[in-house]
Amino acid sequence: DGGITQSPKYLFRKEGQNVTLSCEQNLNHDAMYWYRQDPGQGLRLIYYSQIVNDFQKGDIAEGYSVSREKKESFPLTVTSAQKNPTAFYLCASGSGSNQPQHFGDGTRLSIL
Amino acid sequence: GESVGLHLPTLSVQEGDNSIINCAYSNSASDYFIWYKQESGKGPQFIIDIRSNMDKRQGQRVTVLLNKTVKHLSLQIAATQPGDSAVYFCAENRGYNKLIFGAGTRLAVHP
Repeated sequence: DGGITQSPKYLFRKEGQNVTLSCEQNLNHDAMYWYRQDPGQGLRLIYYSQIVNDFQKGDIAEGYSVSREKKESFPLTVTSAQKNPTAFYLCASGSGSNQPQHFGDGTRLSIL
Repeated sequence: GESVGLHLPTLSVQEGDNSIINCAYSNSASDYFIWYKQESGKGPQFIIDIRSNMDKRQGQRVTVLLNKTVKHLSLQIAATQPGDSAVYFCAENRGYNKLIFGAGTRLAVHP
């Protein structure tokens, strides 16, 4: 089936630790996105990439980093600089302007 | 009826009734709008979209209305079913396919 796969589903981070969230898509979409969702709130854009080897900061990029070495993959690293990382992280991909983004089923990150 | 919960506004409807979920958007230059449905613990699921050169678009049991004059978007769900219970988000495209999401509305369908 075509779609977006996020892993792991649940992740725990210790103080001072960096963790990486995986996002893979087989939809052949050029653009990929990372969002953060806090309880009872909408989605906020962390980073996005419109093409391989290129990415831009979204609205809340501080404390996060990304890479886009392959079209299919857009991993997100939550660094120790992100002081409030507990949230639900959603990855999406899209085929172009004025086309809907398609989402994975998220990774829930918690602090130990 | 409609009530404001601790975090999300909630719309409660009886099974079989029609539901209308409203959304105000921020940017008059936005040219593309999407409605998503999110079930607990899952990612948002695309429902329907509309471009700014249209004021109405229909899908299966769903209709989106766009009023650019007052920057208002609505989602109508016909014959609401228990499986429609979820949080619904509107999103507007602010350029380069960067979406701005609303805070969401919880739809609760009662038998």
